[in-house]
Amino acid sequence: GAVVSQHPSWVICKSGTSVKIECRSLDFQATTMFWYRQFPKQSLMLMATSNEGSKATYEQGVEKDKFLINHASLTLSTLTVTSAHPEDSSFYICSARDGQGGFANQPQHFGDGTRLSIL
Amino acid sequence: AQSVAQPEDQVNVAEGNPLTVKCTYSVSGNPYLFWYVQYPNRGLQFLLKYITGDNLVKGSYGFEAEFNKSQTSFHLKKPSALVSDSALYFCAVNDYKLSFGAGTTVTVRA
Repeated sequence: GAVVSQHPSWVICKSGTSVKIECRSLDFQATTMFWYRQFPKQSLMLMATSNEGSKATYEQGVEKDKFLINHASLTLSTLTVTSAHPEDSSFYICSARDGQGGFANQPQHFGDGTRLSIL
Repeated sequence: AQSVAQPEDQVNVAEGNPLTVKCTYSVSGNPYLFWYVQYPNRGLQFLLKYITGDNLVKGSYGFEAEFNKSQTSFHLKKPSALVSDSALYFCAVNDYKLSFGAGTTVTVRA
C-alpha cells in the first residue's frame, strides 16, 4: 500500500528556532501533498496544499511567511515553521495523494505526524 | 461548500457489541465520502470510501459503511467491536481537498 513517511516524529526546541518537517511518499509519486494542523482531540485543519514544482496554496488565516512549504520533487514536501513560538506548538500531519487517476475518488495517505513543542 | 457532520463526540460500546459511528453529509453533486481512523499520536489510516455503486461499502479491519442518499448519511459500522477499535474516527468528503468532520472518539470496553 501507499506509504507516507513524516520526519521527525517529535521536536522540542526553544522559542525563535526554525523547524523543518519532511514528508515523503515512499512508493508512489505525489503531485499534491497537504499539510494539516491538529489540536488535541480536535479535527484536522488544512493549512496548505502543496503542488510539485509550484507555489503552495495556503488556507485563509495561515501565515505564508510563518509556514514555508516547499515541494521540490514528486516524493518530498517540506514544512518549515520559521521563528517558532509557543503558540505554534501543535501536531502537524502531512498527506499525499497518488498522482495516478482521478483525484476525487482517491484517498489521501497520511504520515504519522510531527509533535512540535516550542518552549 | 461540501461538508460532513459527526453528531456524536463519543461512542462507548462493550466488546463484542455492534459499533456505529454516525456521519451526515452536505454536498452538491455526487459525494466522495471517506472514513479514516486515528490512533493516539499517529496519522490517519484510511478505512473505506464511497464513490458510486453499491450502497454498502466494505473496508479494512471488518468495518463497513452504508451510504444513504435519502438521509444524506454515511454511517460507519462494525458488527462486533474489539477493544483495539478504540480510537478517533473521522468522516470526510473529498472535492479537491478533504473536509473532515469533528471526529468521534470510540471507546470499546472489555
